[in-house]
Amino acid sequence: RKEVEQDPGPFNVPEGATVAFNCTYSNSASQSFFWYRQDCRKEPKLLMSVYSSGNEDGRFTAQLNRASQYISLLIRDSKLSDSATYLCVVNTDTGFQKLVFGTGTRLLVSP
Amino acid sequence: GAVVSQHPSRVICKSGTSVKIECRSLDFQATTMFWYRQFPKKSLMLMATSNEGSKATYEQGVEKDKFLINHASLTLSTLTVTSAHPEDSSFYICSATGWRDNEQFFGPGTRLTVL
Repeated sequence: RKEVEQDPGPFNVPEGATVAFNCTYSNSASQSFFWYRQDCRKEPKLLMSVYSSGNEDGRFTAQLNRASQYISLLIRDSKLSDSATYLCVVNTDTGFQKLVFGTGTRLLVSP
Repeated sequence: GAVVSQHPSRVICKSGTSVKIECRSLDFQATTMFWYRQFPKKSLMLMATSNEGSKATYEQGVEKDKFLINHASLTLSTLTVTSAHPEDSSFYICSATGWRDNEQFFGPGTRLTVL
């Protein structure tokens, strides 16, 4: 079983749509959780951290369910520029030392 | 935010040659640097972790004699792929953390193609 599992997609949505991605992780001792964004042939960039209480950053909302070992990302009012691969990332160590990446979910937003 | 650079951004080499990739933290001191590899449509996989002035810690399955890592200063780490073969063709990305250790900052990556 993979440590971090995501649906690879692609998710094809029109502009303005709301889309949700899910992710599950296997290591119950994982310390912290993140969503990264990766554009084609580029490095990953931190989108947001994920907290048990849920957190929101503009059109993006992330949620963590530790009991189910499940992480979600909701994107509202999708923009063309949101087209990218979204990586679910789990830190299995204290500090920022041991990031485990999912394979990513590809999002394509069309006009 | 902190900036990490990598050089070269792209390299094509013949099988059997060695390739060196540099990773630099431009505006902060990187106490720890990480090297990842990403094959097409696959996740980033951590290859090794290096702390300045000490030997790198390699992940299981990564040959330390093939992937030589040097972290000689707080702003520079190098990865040398020795005797590269076509199966080593991949996207190599470094990242770095500073004293606060609250985020890994990624370099832009190096695309290696071995013919």
